[in-house]
Amino acid sequence: DILMTQSPSSLSASVGDRVTITCQATQDISNYLNWYQHKPGKAPRLLIFDASHVQTGVPSRFSGSGSGTDFTLTISSLQPEDIATYYCQQYVHLYTFGQGTKLEIK
Amino acid sequence: QVQLVESGGGVVQPGRSLRLSCAASGFTFSSFGMHWVRQAPDKGLEWVALIWYDGTKKYYTESVQGRFTVSRDSSKNTLYLQMDSLRAEDTGVYYCARAYSSRLDYWGQGTLVTVSS
Repeated sequence: DILMTQSPSSLSASVGDRVTITCQATQDISNYLNWYQHKPGKAPRLLIFDASHVQTGVPSRFSGSGSGTDFTLTISSLQPEDIATYYCQQYVHLYTFGQGTKLEIK
Repeated sequence: QVQLVESGGGVVQPGRSLRLSCAASGFTFSSFGMHWVRQAPDKGLEWVALIWYDGTKKYYTESVQGRFTVSRDSSKNTLYLQMDSLRAEDTGVYYCARAYSSRLDYWGQGTLVTVSS
């Protein structure tokens, strides 16, 4: 099985900060990785697909990078509405989510 | 616009069954695969099952294999998850999501399943 490990598990940052979340796979998954945003009581939202492609309608402050086993989600300038839990997800073999990164405002 | 609305959740005793539904609208349901994803209390997202657009292929996470069955009725634009032999660890919010290529691009708001005696 492919396991996905995110770091950090939680993160506190200030409005306007640059925020980086990492995701590591236990084996090479090429660019078969998506990122999601999930707010409590809401439907999860696709942010990034194929590691680096921004989903339509997602603000340009969100970006993704990486390939192989190491991936990064970056928020260039944190906004209050970005408070959520973020998940990476691989799809090279079925589907596996990372454990999530909870982002809070400092 | 794409809408996915789950229903059928509730409280059920261990060992019993429950069937979840996901009503889809705003897109050609018969052209898209569909997923089920769940979230246990205070835990992260866990992928549960996938059914192809035409229902010919189905995939499950190992922990539900043999107990859960995903199906669809394109005449009703509805996705189902039949859950048998339920366990306490199946408790959580269950989401349906549309499969666009390998992305889960639209999600419902979820329905809560509680397995408890």
